Formats: sequence, C-alpha cells, structure tokens
Amino acid sequence: AQSVAQPEDQVNVAEGNPLTVKCTYSVSGNPYLFWYVQYPNRGLQFLLKYITGDNLVKGSYGFEAEFNKSQTSFHLKKPSALVSDSALYFCAVRFKAAGNKLTFGGGTRVLVKP
Amino acid sequence: EAQVTQNPRYLITVTGKKLTVTCSQNMNHEYMSWYRQDPGLGLRQIYYSMNVEVTDKGDVPEGYKVSRKEKRNFPLILESPSPNQTSLYFCASQFILPGLAGNEQFFGPGTRLTVL
Repeated sequence: AQSVAQPEDQVNVAEGNPLTVKCTYSVSGNPYLFWYVQYPNRGLQFLLKYITGDNLVKGSYGFEAEFNKSQTSFHLKKPSALVSDSALYFCAVRFKAAGNKLTFGGGTRVLVKP
Repeated sequence: EAQVTQNPRYLITVTGKKLTVTCSQNMNHEYMSWYRQDPGLGLRQIYYSMNVEVTDKGDVPEGYKVSRKEKRNFPLILESPSPNQTSLYFCASQFILPGLAGNEQFFGPGTRLTVL
C-alpha cells in the first residue's frame, strides 16, 4: 500500500532563512506528488505538483520542490521564509495503479519567527 | 468566484442524533471527496464520487453515508454520530480530465464537528 511520511511534526525557522519541509513516499511505479498548505481556520490550498518532466517544480508563493526518484522524496523548499509562511503543510501522493487514491502525509507545522 | 462551500462550519451535537454536512462546488467538477483530519494522521478519505450517482468508499467509511444526486452537491451524512467521529471534515473536488491522478483538488473551508 502506498504511504507518505513527513518525518518532522514541526519545523522552526527564522524569517529570511531557507525553509525545507521533508516528504518521502513508499510505492513502486511513477507517482504524482502534491504539496498543500493549510492556514489557520482555512481549507487546504494547492501549492505545487510533480507529474512528469523536470524534477524541480516551482509553485505558488515562491515555493519549489524537488522530486528525487532514487530517494523517493519530494521535499518542499523556499529560499527565504516569511512569517506569513507559518502554516501546516501536507505532502500527498497519487498512483494510477492504486485507483487514483490520494494519500496524505501527517502534516508538518512550520513556524517562521521574526 | 470558484469555490467549495461547506455548511455548517462548526457543529456540536450529541451521540445518536443524525446530522448532515453539506458540500457544494461551482466549478463543474466531476470528482468530489470527503476527508477527515485528525492530528498526526493527515487527511483520510471517507467517501468519494466520480460523478452523479457514482460513489465509493475511501479508507474510513464506517459510520458515514454520502449521496450524489446533483453534480455540484455531495452531502456527508452521519446517521448515528459517535464521539470517535469528532474531527475536522473537509470536502474537496476536482476535474477528472485530462487525467484524474494529475489534477489538484480544491478544498472547502472545513467543518469542525464535536460529538458529545
């Protein structure tokens, strides 16, 4: 069965510093990978996705993610974090072979301090 | 404005009292889904629907029902709620074409349910 792991429950970073949120998945085959962000009292918002092609994907709000097939990872990055990036981030994976089921990681809370 | 709406946003109820959480989308999406969010567990799928009158179970369907009589609406029904259904619920929708797997989902604002 496919699964997604976000190994850090929380990431703390100072404003202006690089931000990385880790995500690994377990499944064989070619995955479709997504990152979503959840701000307080809001639904999830789509940030970016990897379907095929270039391993480096650019998304909304200056975020990017790198697909690494050999390490089965899809880490989310931002070169310079803002206080407004403080939120809950979810990685998700989908496989055609698994009936297109979308599986989410447990979420990582990001706290950006001024 | 393209959006997914849910009602109510907050609900406190008692064990056994039937309730319905409504979900509506205005984007003409074929696919709709319900999730529950619990701390540390991420989002788990309850039910999904590929189109009108087509619904199927997700990972945690026990204690829930859904219906899809119209394309835009996908209500979640708890016939006899129990305290273990206390959670944050999200409705989501997306297009099926050009490929279901590669399309992102659009989420509603969430419904926080407490069952006493």
